[in-house]
Amino acid sequence: GAGVSQTPSNKVTEKGKYVELRCDPISGHTALYWYRQSLGQGPEFLIYFQGTGAADDSGLPNDRFFAVRPEGSVSTLKIQRTERGDSAVYLCASSLGVADYYEQYFGPGTRLTVT
Amino acid sequence: TQLLEQSPQFLSIQEGENLTVYCNSSSVFSSLQWYRQEPGEGPVLLVTVVTGGEVKKLKRLTFQFGDARKDSSLHITAAQPGDTGLYLCAGLNTGGFKTIFGAGTRLFVKA
Repeated sequence: GAGVSQTPSNKVTEKGKYVELRCDPISGHTALYWYRQSLGQGPEFLIYFQGTGAADDSGLPNDRFFAVRPEGSVSTLKIQRTERGDSAVYLCASSLGVADYYEQYFGPGTRLTVT
Repeated sequence: TQLLEQSPQFLSIQEGENLTVYCNSSSVFSSLQWYRQEPGEGPVLLVTVVTGGEVKKLKRLTFQFGDARKDSSLHITAAQPGDTGLYLCAGLNTGGFKTIFGAGTRLFVKA
């Protein structure tokens, strides 16, 4: 079956611009997570959705970052007024439910480069 | 803030050698996971350990969770070039939705 997909795979943008990153989770997965992975680091938790609602957005670095999941499936991570420090790989993951025994399945990520 | 420290950061070994990588924290986690990540891909779950002192084996890989549930180790026996990749440990707390990742150990196995 289809795994988690993310689009675009690469995004280059100029400082100050707005970007949207899309995540299509595995069908039927109610939980969806966004992470950011900088070079040489592990993934850093950003936000988690259970259904349509953001259950925990404590990892979002500031108010330039926002994520939605309006129908409980596809999610979009939105970054306003991008800065060079936002450059990273943004990973999305989904799972059947919430608990440490529900495996998170990761997408391949979107590599964002802010010039 | 909960942190996970992994060591070594980088390991280059010959095919057939054994190796151990470590994941340490000052915090207690309800479970620890190990992932492997290839370039251009997302992490893939290898194992979840839940009970203090637990040992799990996956072919040539042996995972151990510390008795106090603050640390874990991954031991690979007779490493092969196909084991090359980034190994990440991750800790979860009760509720299991906020995963804390270590910075990873980058393993390179030479043929």
